[in-house]
Amino acid sequence: DTEVTQTPKHLVMGMTNKKSLKCEQHMGHRAMYWYKQKAKKPPELMFVYSYEKLSINESVPSRFSPECPNSSLLNLHLHALQPEDSALYLCASSLGPGETQYFGPGTRLLVL
Amino acid sequence: DAKTTQPNSMESNEEEPVHLPCNHSTISGTDYIHWYRQLPSQGPEYVIHGLTSNVNNRMASLAIAEDRKSSTLILHRATLRDAAVYYCILRDVTGGSNYKLTFGKGTLLTVNP
Repeated sequence: DTEVTQTPKHLVMGMTNKKSLKCEQHMGHRAMYWYKQKAKKPPELMFVYSYEKLSINESVPSRFSPECPNSSLLNLHLHALQPEDSALYLCASSLGPGETQYFGPGTRLLVL
Repeated sequence: DAKTTQPNSMESNEEEPVHLPCNHSTISGTDYIHWYRQLPSQGPEYVIHGLTSNVNNRMASLAIAEDRKSSTLILHRATLRDAAVYYCILRDVTGGSNYKLTFGKGTLLTVNP
C-alpha cells in the first residue's frame, strides 16, 4: 500500500457543527502532516506529528484540533469553524521528519 | 526558509521537452532543492530533489547551477498528464524546520496537444 487516503472527499458544515477529517497511511511512515490550501494558493502547513507526538503547530486557531491515535492514523477535529476556513485540507506522511512527503487527495471543506 | 522565484506560468507542446526554471539566490549550503507538482484536483506529488549535482529519475531531471543560485526542472517529453503547478522548494535539513515544506506560488504548466 503506497498511498495516503483521506475521508471524506467533500464536507459541508455549518458554523456550529463538529466534524472530523481522517487521514490514513499504511507505509510505516512515522511523520504525518496537515496542510490547508485555499483556492489558487499554495498549500500551507498547519500541523506536524512526529512519532505520534505533535511537533509543530503553525499557530493554528484552536477550532482546529489534530489527533494522532496511532502511527497510521491522523485526524483533524473541526469545531465552530468560520466561512473563511473553507479550503482543501491535505494530509501528508513521510518515513521520518525531513523525508519526502507523500500527499493524500485532500478533503474539500465548505463552511456555511 | 530561503525564498524561491518561479515564473507564474509556462506553456509547452506535447512530446516536447520542458525546462522549468527556479531562482534561489539566497540558498544556503545546507538547503536541498526539492520539486513537487500538483495536478488538478489532486494533492502535491514529489518529483525530484538534489543538493549540488544534477539528478535524474523516471519522472524528470534536475539541473543545478554551479553556484546553486538557480536550478531547472526538465521534463524530457511533456505529456498532457504533466499539466500541473510545479513548486520549487528549498529545505534545510540541519535544523528543526526540516519538517516543513514551504510552498511558493509555483509555475502553472500548460501542455498543448
